Amino acid sequence: QVQVQQWGVGLLKPSETVSLTCAVYGGSLSDYSWSWIRQPPGKGLEWIGEINHSGSTNYNPSLKSRVTISVDTSKNQFSLKLTSVTAADTAVYYCARGRLTRTYYSDSGTYYNTYYFHFWGQGTLVTVSS
Amino acid sequence: DIVMTQSPDSLAVSLGERATVNCKSSQSVLYSSNNKNFLAWYQQKPGQPPKLLIYWASTRESGVPDRFSGSGSGTDFTLTISSLQAEDVAVYYCQQYYITPVTFGQGTRLEIK
Repeated sequence: QVQVQQWGVGLLKPSETVSLTCAVYGGSLSDYSWSWIRQPPGKGLEWIGEINHSGSTNYNPSLKSRVTISVDTSKNQFSLKLTSVTAADTAVYYCARGRLTRTYYSDSGTYYNTYYFHFWGQGTLVTVSS
Repeated sequence: DIVMTQSPDSLAVSLGERATVNCKSSQSVLYSSNNKNFLAWYQQKPGQPPKLLIYWASTRESGVPDRFSGSGSGTDFTLTISSLQAEDVAVYYCQQYYITPVTFGQGTRLEIK
């Protein structure tokens, strides 16, 4: 049975970088696509981005300029970096495994995958405060 | 982006009674190629991550009790709990996965009356 462990720095100052890692146990990372999703305290859910089974990434346009998701297949881990944080980035950050539902192509030829999320990590609270 | 709007924001229902949560998308999430609605429902209890309840608008995830059901098509969807149990107290979210970025509703808080 797949389990995940998340970790990262929980308290940051404005302009610093969020750095989180999600390690997958009991299954291969590359068998699935994995996303980062965040939830500000008392608020709803926001998809940040994904790294799919082929190692390609896709990001929410609202965060794209600040986000990098990377993978270390040798350790069965993937990571999130979010730069130039502000208080608005204070949230619980989840890693989640997605079930692929469809792939479609934009007019420019970029392909996009969509998912619903059937497995979630426990989440890591990241607080941005001066 | 597709905007998902849930109603009501909060709901109080007596034990054993029916609870209904609504979700409306700003554009249709029905994919004509396979006639499926790209809509999921999640349950989130305090201090826990969301749990997948329903996908394709009406397919229950394995292990989810059959008192949970989903319905609707196009832009209007409903999550129904047929007989509310104490353990169903939670916040419920809908999610569209028709286009990227996938987006979620703002959540509906369900409490016991």
